[in-house]
Amino acid sequence: KAGVTQTPRYLIKTRGQQVTLSCSPISGHRSVSWYQQTPGQGLQFLFEYFSETQRNKGNFPGRFSGRQFSNSRSEMNVSTLELGDSALYLCASRPSRRNTEAFFGQGTRLTVV
Amino acid sequence: SQQGEEDPQALSIQEGENATMNCSYKTSINNLQWYRQNSGRGLVHLILIRSNEREKHSGRLRVTLDTSKKSSSLLITASRAADTASYFCAKGETSGSRLTFGEGTQLTVNP
Repeated sequence: KAGVTQTPRYLIKTRGQQVTLSCSPISGHRSVSWYQQTPGQGLQFLFEYFSETQRNKGNFPGRFSGRQFSNSRSEMNVSTLELGDSALYLCASRPSRRNTEAFFGQGTRLTVV
Repeated sequence: SQQGEEDPQALSIQEGENATMNCSYKTSINNLQWYRQNSGRGLVHLILIRSNEREKHSGRLRVTLDTSKKSSSLLITASRAADTASYFCAKGETSGSRLTFGEGTQLTVNP
């Protein structure tokens, strides 16, 4: 069974631009969560999607948004990029919303210059 | 901000020694999970311990949970150079599937 796939792996963007990151969960998994990892703030929860609906949201500004498609694939979007958005963005999938083992992708390394 | 704290922040040991990492948290949990991360890559789930469990084993890993002290520990026995990584504890909420991570412990196992 294929693992969680995140694309692209690396991305360099300029301040003010927007970016879209993609996550394909493990086949059959319907819950997708996104996390931001930075040296200063560590791993922080962004949001969770289940059945194409956002179920939970972390403490991030509205510039961070996401969506989930009917095949459970998810995208997250960051608009008006700031230097502080440089981070490793991780996606995790689970079969359901139950708080069990999460399967993480390799992440997308975003650098904002 | 992080929900939990981990200590030590960094740990350096020799191959064959045991490594112990501690995690504390502030509010009630459904479960406590431990993950491993190799140099900025994805996280790999190691073990999950439920709030009504006190100890759990998986291979060379042993996790304990003390809900009265709101703390957990991860013990890696007979460490290997390949165990070098960052280890994170994550609090599983009582409702929803959000994980709240600790700050992590950077473990270095010297051959």
